[in-house]
Amino acid sequence: LAKTTQPISMDSYEGQEVNITCSHNNIATNDYITWYQQFPSQGPRFIIQGYKTKVTNEVASLFIPADRKSSTLSLPRVSLSDTAVYYCLVGGNDYKLSFGAGTTVTVRA
Amino acid sequence: GAVVSQHPSRVICKSGTSVKIECRSLDFQATTMFWYRQFPKKSLMLMATSNEGSKATYEQGVEKDKFLINHASLTLSTLTVTSAHPEDSSFYICSASFTSGRSDEQYFGPGTRLTVT
Repeated sequence: LAKTTQPISMDSYEGQEVNITCSHNNIATNDYITWYQQFPSQGPRFIIQGYKTKVTNEVASLFIPADRKSSTLSLPRVSLSDTAVYYCLVGGNDYKLSFGAGTTVTVRA
Repeated sequence: GAVVSQHPSRVICKSGTSVKIECRSLDFQATTMFWYRQFPKKSLMLMATSNEGSKATYEQGVEKDKFLINHASLTLSTLTVTSAHPEDSSFYICSASFTSGRSDEQYFGPGTRLTVT
């Protein structure tokens, strides 16, 4: 499994865009990049998944450069309810999700 | 879509007793379900992988006789913590992946808070 490195915490204010970058230098050819969000005392929630370039859905965008050694989750116009832990995971289709420490995002009014 | 439920959401039991936690995929079939535990302020740790109709695969260091997993159908997996002790107190989370989808795109249940007194 490719190891991931992401910031421990980030602070933001309501209405701002939050970008969380994850490093995964040892990503393998068949690995996908997946991001999850977790609120306290709840299970993680799948946010977005991508392989290369850019992926966008109704809640976030995922930017992946050509070398795929990093990825950036972009949360547009965050609100207080976006305060959570965000996990970046890298892996193939072999079920083993290895959660790192995640990034605690705190959104302030 | 892709809803996973867990029952109970919270349970308190005495040392030495056993506790069963259910995980259900409500609107999809899941060949594979996963069980995690999470300690306060820590990340999730995969305990085992549960495949419908076969024995679970446990991660290194997880006692299979203590954490019994049964996956009786494509929508139900159960985790039984046997002879529970206070150190088993934790947040247990299950997840499931679509039968026809990628296994790294998992949908998680809301978790079960177990407290052993």
